[in-house]
Amino acid sequence: AQTVTQSQPEMSVQEAETVTLSCTYDTSENNYYLFWYKQPPSRQMILVIRQEAYKQQNATENRFSVNFQKAAKSFSLKISDSQLGDTAMYFCAFMKHGSGNQFYFGTGTSLTVIP
Amino acid sequence: EPEVTQTPSHQVTQMGQEVILRCVPISNHLYFYWYRQILGQKVEFLVSFYNNEISEKSEIFDDQFSVERPDGSNFTLKIRSTKLEDSAMYFCASSVTSGRDDYEQYFGPGTRLTVT
Repeated sequence: AQTVTQSQPEMSVQEAETVTLSCTYDTSENNYYLFWYKQPPSRQMILVIRQEAYKQQNATENRFSVNFQKAAKSFSLKISDSQLGDTAMYFCAFMKHGSGNQFYFGTGTSLTVIP
Repeated sequence: EPEVTQTPSHQVTQMGQEVILRCVPISNHLYFYWYRQILGQKVEFLVSFYNNEISEKSEIFDDQFSVERPDGSNFTLKIRSTKLEDSAMYFCASSVTSGRDDYEQYFGPGTRLTVT
């Protein structure tokens, strides 16, 4: 079975600063995908960034980047130049290729950006 | 931008009653999912659905649960006889395919189910 762990239930960051959210996972699979989803208050989850396990290069999307360490099974999210709109719950998710595309989620990290 | 929609946003029901949660996935998507999140816990996978049949289901998805795509646009989750422990937020999601580059799942806003 796959498990995803987010060890930081809550975090805060000053506006314009950088913050890193941690995520670790446990799997015996070799072909899988990792995601960070953002859920603003009272809004639906939206994809922030994704990483294919077969790619060594870390994914980046504007101010968002990941540090993917496959051997360590670690997948952290870095948010640069934090903005007030980044305040949200952030979920790390794992999906193994095939088998119905089941996502395994972490418990989430609640991020607050302080003006 | 197309979105997954869910109705109702909040459903209150009595224990033992049947409930149907409704979702309208994004129109060109082919895979559909239900997840749930009990307050304070992880988002958990319930079921995936493709080509009018269940593709995969979790241990949570027992005989009390069923899914249906009745009319080509809606995707429903039915709980036949609700229990107190079914109280949770239920999320619907959809994705284009399970191909290598189209595996992103788009989530709806959720239906909060409260069983009393």
